[in-house]
Amino acid sequence: SQQGEEDPQALSIQEGENATMNCSYKTSINNLQWYRQNSGRGLVHLILIRSNEREKHSGRLRVTLDTSKKSSSLLITASRAADTASYFCATESNFGNEKLTFGTGTRLTIIP
Amino acid sequence: DAMVIQNPRYQVTQFGKPVTLSCSQTLNHNVMYWYQQKSSQAPKLLFHYYDKDFNNEADTPDNFQSRRPNTSFCFLDIRSPGLGDAAMYLCATSRVAGEEQFFGPGTRLTVL
Repeated sequence: SQQGEEDPQALSIQEGENATMNCSYKTSINNLQWYRQNSGRGLVHLILIRSNEREKHSGRLRVTLDTSKKSSSLLITASRAADTASYFCATESNFGNEKLTFGTGTRLTIIP
Repeated sequence: DAMVIQNPRYQVTQFGKPVTLSCSQTLNHNVMYWYQQKSSQAPKLLFHYYDKDFNNEADTPDNFQSRRPNTSFCFLDIRSPGLGDAAMYLCATSRVAGEEQFFGPGTRLTVL
């Protein structure tokens, strides 16, 4: 399977703390994306990082990419109850196949 | 607001009774995707369209068919639903294949 893996599978933290999720993948990529999914809803795109980038920020989100290790991390700073959701990484391989391969997801729970 | 709309949000069908799920978009994106997502799992790509070009995933069952009559609409037909087809079905679009995807809210399919 080309599916990526995320670590941890589940994470619970206190509101205000930082949350870090990791993603590993198997193939060479053009880009890596992070999505959020609230329970029973569709996915929402958070951030896209390209293979020639190492770090990217968007508001309280910080994403890093290490192509030599085929891994990425998503850091959410100063977490809020509304951040409770599942987070998925997704990769576009550089095979030019026009599609994303999603990781297994991390279930994040923020405790008020 | 530009968006991806899925109807119905909840669909109940009987074992073996054909069902059609619909997706529409006001984003005027070239690419449309159908995903199947089972509980606590990653979205699994069933097929996608680049304009009118249809791309089927190798492991998508023949029971699943799709139609894209125009840029705005895409349909998922399940010809003979089995109990194992109960899942959330997500439609997504992107302006450029492999880039940011915009998801609809999903259709939850129950098979009795």
